[in-house]
Amino acid sequence: DQQVKQNSPSLSVQEGRISILNCDYTNSMFDYFLWYKKYPAEGPTFLISISSIKDKNEDGRFTVFLNKSAKHLSLHIVPSQPGDSAVYFCAAISNTGNQFYFGTGTSLTVIP
Amino acid sequence: KAGVTQTPRYLIKTRGQQVTLSCSPISGHRSVSWYQQTPGQGLQFLFEYFSETQRNKGNFPGRFSGRQFSNSRSEMNVSTLELGDSALYLCASSLQDKNTEAFFGQGTRLTVV
Repeated sequence: DQQVKQNSPSLSVQEGRISILNCDYTNSMFDYFLWYKKYPAEGPTFLISISSIKDKNEDGRFTVFLNKSAKHLSLHIVPSQPGDSAVYFCAAISNTGNQFYFGTGTSLTVIP
Repeated sequence: KAGVTQTPRYLIKTRGQQVTLSCSPISGHRSVSWYQQTPGQGLQFLFEYFSETQRNKGNFPGRFSGRQFSNSRSEMNVSTLELGDSALYLCASSLQDKNTEAFFGQGTRLTVV
């Protein structure tokens, strides 16, 4: 049972434009959310996180939005750069434990 | 400081064999988690250890086991390997505090033939 879902397996965006990656979750006990970026043959690297008490967190070109009522979060990258091309995973942590639940990933391609 | 180190990076085993993977967390991190990544399945949680105790376990068969040592290093063992066990196995470490990011190693690519 996939509790964190990324319904778009891939996304292509022109360089300089905005990339929007989406993530939905089903478990209302999740209270902390993270985005990871993964290049081939490397482990995921942490990008940005957001607590359930917030609805937005920004770090440079990366902004994460959380809509708790819709159980939806999104990652905005603006402007997109070719080096952003990677697989992006969203993850959630339940307030009852220390287990990360990951989505299946979205492969982002930024076209120069 | 050094990141999460996983050894070996690549491994080829035959069906029926067993394998042990190793993970050294970031110094000071006491929580170590293991994940399996296969195409189309994302990262599937295997188990999490904290202070040598398994705190959480995912939905994997008993052939998958792990342990954590007093220095927080962790090992994962898979017995009676199956072809479907071929995957990238990732280890992540984090501080004991809740709601902090986990830092991943580069993974061990296991191929079962």
